[in-house]
Amino acid sequence: NAGVTQTPKFQVLKTGQSMTLQCAQDMNHEYMSWYRQDPGMGLRLIHYSVGAGITDQGEVPNGYNVSRSTTEDFPLRLLSAAPSQTSVYFCASSYSKGAGYTDTQYFGPGTRLTVL
Amino acid sequence: RKEVEQDPGPFNVPEGATVAFNCTYSNSASQSFFWYRQDCRKEPKLLMSVYSSGNEDGRFTAQLNRASQYISLLIRDSKLSDSATYLCVVNNNNAGNMLTFGGGTRLMVKP
Repeated sequence: NAGVTQTPKFQVLKTGQSMTLQCAQDMNHEYMSWYRQDPGMGLRLIHYSVGAGITDQGEVPNGYNVSRSTTEDFPLRLLSAAPSQTSVYFCASSYSKGAGYTDTQYFGPGTRLTVL
Repeated sequence: RKEVEQDPGPFNVPEGATVAFNCTYSNSASQSFFWYRQDCRKEPKLLMSVYSSGNEDGRFTAQLNRASQYISLLIRDSKLSDSATYLCVVNNNNAGNMLTFGGGTRLMVKP
């Protein structure tokens, strides 16, 4: 299994540009999520999905869109990039284990995004 | 107040030392607790889950105190390879069963 894969690994954008960060997993996990990690802030949840066709907002969703058309893929779209979106983005996936319990989250290697 | 709080460190310890990290969480309804490890410029990886009765995995021991809402991680006989950031993670029991991460505690083990 490849696990969780993310592309690209690095990206530089200009303010106002849009782009899509790709995330795929081959473990048949129901749960997928996107986090951003900034120095001193830890990982913050952007959007998540509990299954194909179902998405919801996390802690910091503004400026980002997601969709989940298949179990495997969960792309994150930046609509109009801003310097405040400079960060490291991690995609993660996990099995569902019922209300209140979470199985191990498997993270992708991350995408380092710089917005000029 | 942050939902999950950790001392950012760094904790600088010599090889062979015992070091302990604490973490506090604010949501009393949280049901799942974890420690993740993150190496520099890498993704987080699960170190161990934390069970109510406490659990041990080799040199690592995790404890949970629900009454005081804190979690601890004890590392015995520290190795150079233990140098990393340790993330305290809590299931905040929302509809999506998503996790809330602490800011991490950095550990540096010196020869």
